[in-house]
Amino acid sequence: GESVGLHLPTLSVQEGDNSIINCAYSNSASDYFIWYKQESGKGPQFIIDIRSNMDKRQGQRVTVLLNKTVKHLSLQIAATQPGDSAVYFCAENNNQGGKLIFGQGTELSVKP
Amino acid sequence: ETGVTQSPTHLIKTRGQQVTLRCSSQSGHNTVSWYQQALGQGPQFIFQYYREEENGRGNFPPRFSGLQFPNYSSELNVNALELDDSALYLCASSLSPGRSIDEQFFGPGTRLTVL
Repeated sequence: GESVGLHLPTLSVQEGDNSIINCAYSNSASDYFIWYKQESGKGPQFIIDIRSNMDKRQGQRVTVLLNKTVKHLSLQIAATQPGDSAVYFCAENNNQGGKLIFGQGTELSVKP
Repeated sequence: ETGVTQSPTHLIKTRGQQVTLRCSSQSGHNTVSWYQQALGQGPQFIFQYYREEENGRGNFPPRFSGLQFPNYSSELNVNALELDDSALYLCASSLSPGRSIDEQFFGPGTRLTVL
């Protein structure tokens, strides 16, 4: 079946270091991928997205990389800050309307 | 610009009861999607509403139903509640449905506990 999964359920980094969160997806028909950040007690917040015709996209302190050959997605956060502590989800849209398929999530903990 | 709002924030029900959750979409958005997020899991798509009609449904039984109103707000109804229905229910609004990948803006969710 379709699935989006994460390699690591938890990630702990030192403040100022770079963070890398990985995600694997199984549906090669998916053409749009999104990273969300979810803080405790809140709904998911959009971070960055990428379409399948791209392999890299940069935002402010964040970069998303897409490797369609191995169906892998990653989120890189530069100079990680305590405010980055949250659960991060990757999600894919596989051309089934507005349905987003989310992975399980990775909890990022930033140590001061 | 008003964001997505949901009510209530928390709710406790018992097995077999029925529940209605409400969502007001972001200003200018005509599409609402509902997701169920179990503890420690990613959100799971329940269904989407566009122009007051269901526009796509996930793998949820018929006791999960919804409505969308002319002002684009929406309700999620769950009948015959089961313990496994305990979860955070998220509403997301977007500018349009279908293949459009307009960003979906999520509300804070309603935490439902079924005892």
